[in-house]
Amino acid sequence: GQQVMQIPQYQHVQEGEDFTTYCNSSTTLSNIQWYKQRPGGHPVFLIQLVKSGEVKKQKRLTFQFGEAKKNSSLHITATQTTDVGTYFCAGSGGSNYKLTFGKGTLLTVNP
Amino acid sequence: DSGVTQTPKHLITATGQRVTLRCSPRSGDLSVYWYQQSLDQGLQFLIQYYNGEERAKGNILERFSAQQFPDLHSELNLSSLELGDSALYFCASSVGQVTDTQYFGPGTRLTVL
Repeated sequence: GQQVMQIPQYQHVQEGEDFTTYCNSSTTLSNIQWYKQRPGGHPVFLIQLVKSGEVKKQKRLTFQFGEAKKNSSLHITATQTTDVGTYFCAGSGGSNYKLTFGKGTLLTVNP
Repeated sequence: DSGVTQTPKHLITATGQRVTLRCSPRSGDLSVYWYQQSLDQGLQFLIQYYNGEERAKGNILERFSAQQFPDLHSELNLSSLELGDSALYFCASSVGQVTDTQYFGPGTRLTVL
């Protein structure tokens, strides 16, 4: 079955440093979504990418979808304490109706 | 506030028992998804319903079952509970397709003692 792997599992940074999390799928994806879950909260949708090589930006967050549509990344520039949380990628592919989540990257930021 | 409601917020029960978790989707959403989140397994997809019918199945145990009612609310039934079933159970809803944005509810924290 489809597997989505995410690295790193944990990342601790100093406020102001950059952060990147990577997502890799065992199969070609039709789309990939990114979610953020604050400590004690629920996952909240950030963005969806559907096109090969697509790059989208949301303020300090940059999302990329690989050319082969099997990998994706989320990059945060100049992290802030409000960025703390777990970032999940989730992908679906072809006729697969399931959205498969990666295990997430827990980001902690030292002020 | 995502617009998805889940009850109860917390549930503490004993092994061997049966519980029902309830979810009301956002107004207008036809799909409901159930996920289990535990520390070591991350967010595991359990099952999806679309407009009352089962659409997709994930890693749902046979002891677990779900349904979506005509008013589109959904219930997840967990029976013969084991210690390992302790987890956060999230419900999410979307307009229809799996490619649509999923809106998650606040979750139900189940503790099995």
